Amino acid sequence: GQQVMQIPQYQHVQEGEDFTTYCNSSTTLSNIQWYKQRPGGHPVFLIQLVKSGEVKKQKRLTFQFGEAKKNSSLHITATQTTDVGTYFCAGARGTGNKLTFGGGTRVLVKP
Amino acid sequence: DADVTQTPRNRITKTGKRIMLECSQTKGHDRMYWYRQDPGLGLRLIYYSFDVKDINKGEISDGYSVSRQAQAKFSLSLESAIPNQTALYFCATQLGETQYFGPGTRLLVL
Repeated sequence: GQQVMQIPQYQHVQEGEDFTTYCNSSTTLSNIQWYKQRPGGHPVFLIQLVKSGEVKKQKRLTFQFGEAKKNSSLHITATQTTDVGTYFCAGARGTGNKLTFGGGTRVLVKP
Repeated sequence: DADVTQTPRNRITKTGKRIMLECSQTKGHDRMYWYRQDPGLGLRLIYYSFDVKDINKGEISDGYSVSRQAQAKFSLSLESAIPNQTALYFCATQLGETQYFGPGTRLLVL
């Protein structure tokens, strides 16, 4: 079956630094989504990428979908303590199909 | 966001007991999902339903069953709970391509 892997599993970041988390699918995706889960909270939708090579930005967050539509990345610049949480990517094969979630990257920020 | 509620929020039960986790939503979304979350394993799909008459198994359905009583309600049952079903359980709805998660139920099976 479809597998979605995320690396790293944990990311310790100094406040103010940049980091990137990566997501790789074993199969070609129709779209990929990113969710953020704050400690003790539930996953919240951040963004969806659909087109090959697509890049989207949300303030300090930059999301990219690979040319082959099998991988994605999330880059955060100038990390802040509010960025703490677990970031999940989730891929779908086909429009409206169920999502397969990656294992998540847990981000810890050192002030 | 969809208003997705889950009850109970926390539950402790013993091995062999039958329990039910309930999920309700008020936004009229047809698609609903049940996931379990374990540390390092992300969210794994247990069951999903695209409408009231549609029920589908996810990747880890063994030991679980579901009931879609109405568009707004999707319940997850553990017929005979076992300790490795200790986890955080999330219900989610879907509108378009986006999923909206409930607050979660933390289940401990002793």
